[in-house]
Amino acid sequence: AQKITQTQPGMFVQEKEAVTLDCTYDTSDQSYGLFWYKQPSSGEMIFLIYQGSYDEQNATEGRYSLNFQKARKSANLVISASQLGDSAMYFCAMREGRGRNAGNMLTFGGGTRLMVKP
Amino acid sequence: GAVVSQHPSRVICKSGTSVKIECRSLDFQATTMFWYRQFPKQSLMLMATSNEGSKATYEQGVEKDKFLINHASLTLSTLTVTSAHPEDSSFYICSARDLPTRYGYTFGSGTRLTVV
Repeated sequence: AQKITQTQPGMFVQEKEAVTLDCTYDTSDQSYGLFWYKQPSSGEMIFLIYQGSYDEQNATEGRYSLNFQKARKSANLVISASQLGDSAMYFCAMREGRGRNAGNMLTFGGGTRLMVKP
Repeated sequence: GAVVSQHPSRVICKSGTSVKIECRSLDFQATTMFWYRQFPKQSLMLMATSNEGSKATYEQGVEKDKFLINHASLTLSTLTVTSAHPEDSSFYICSARDLPTRYGYTFGSGTRLTVV
């Protein structure tokens, strides 16, 4: 079974509007971390935002916010005021296990290609 | 911030030859390095996990004799694609598990391998 599911292969958004990218996950661990990365055409992975499973507040980083609904096992990324430079692939990822020393790898979803229209 | 330098960024090689990809952590010690492969328009798939001074752990379906991983020091991990074939053409990217970086992962910039 997929551990990370991103149901939107592609999304269009008008410049300056907000957009939500969906991510659902599956884990039996109580302690886990959820990440969002941006991958432009150059291929580099750019860290956007992190949400820990025990964090009570939704994470925010500038124009990025994470809508964390633990009971529904969803961690949607919200990008406000979209810019042309936001056009890229976006990946949701999960680290299972306890603590930063656990050495666990990230498992990635299939990605969503976001295209911002001028 | 923490940086992982990955080289080369692009490489074209002939079928049957070997290619080495290096990932260096420049300002921190990476005890664990993850190697991912990404085919066009697909996600990152974990190939193997390497820990400094020990043998790499390969994911199911990844040929350990074909994808040789060496993590001989805390700042250098290498992936060698041996006897490369066109189907090995892909984007390879490393990720270091590090403590200084926020939330603990730093990615290299990736290597685009084309086997002709």
